[in-house]
Amino acid sequence: DAGVIQSPRHEVTEMGQEVTLRCKPISGHNSLFWYRQTMMRGLELLIYFNNNVPIDDSGMPEDRFSAKMPNASFSTLKIQPSEPRDSAVYFCASSLQGAVGYTFGSGTRLTVV
Amino acid sequence: KNEVEQSPQNLTAQEGEFITINCSYSVGISALHWLQQHPGGGIVSLFMLSSGKKKHGRLIATINIQEKQSSLHITASHPRDSAVYICAVASGSGNTGKLIFGQGTTLQVKP
Repeated sequence: DAGVIQSPRHEVTEMGQEVTLRCKPISGHNSLFWYRQTMMRGLELLIYFNNNVPIDDSGMPEDRFSAKMPNASFSTLKIQPSEPRDSAVYFCASSLQGAVGYTFGSGTRLTVV
Repeated sequence: KNEVEQSPQNLTAQEGEFITINCSYSVGISALHWLQQHPGGGIVSLFMLSSGKKKHGRLIATINIQEKQSSLHITASHPRDSAVYICAVASGSGNTGKLIFGQGTTLQVKP
């Protein structure tokens, strides 16, 4: 298995633009998580899905952020419109209920200028 | 006060030294995770534990549920162990619950 695959690895965009981050979880995993990492706040959960259903989105900063999981093999995190304070590394992780540990993707480094 | 606290924040050791990183938490948990993040940024799950002790190679993780405290030990440390070590607690059921993270411990092992 190639692990959790995120794209793009790096994204630089101008303030106000729409940004879409993508994640392909490990095949067979039924939980998917979106995390954000900044120097100031460390790692924070944004949203997680169980069996493609959003379970907890309390970490989503505001309405500019939205996430979807249309099927078991794909999820997106969208920011519209983007702002400089959204600059961070966004990680996707997946897990299988009852199994040990999470698997993290390599992250997407987002810079909003 | 953060729900998950790690100490120390930064740690410098000489190769071969025994290293301990501590984690304390204030919420009810179903499991505790230790993660490793290398300078390149990737995050690797080292351990998930809900009781007792686990060992993998030179790494040992322990947890005391009553004290709400966990430790990560590295024996015979090596420069390649240099990384950020992050403690995280799962508030839901097993590993399908959301994680709450400590701020991380930056470890540098000098040759």
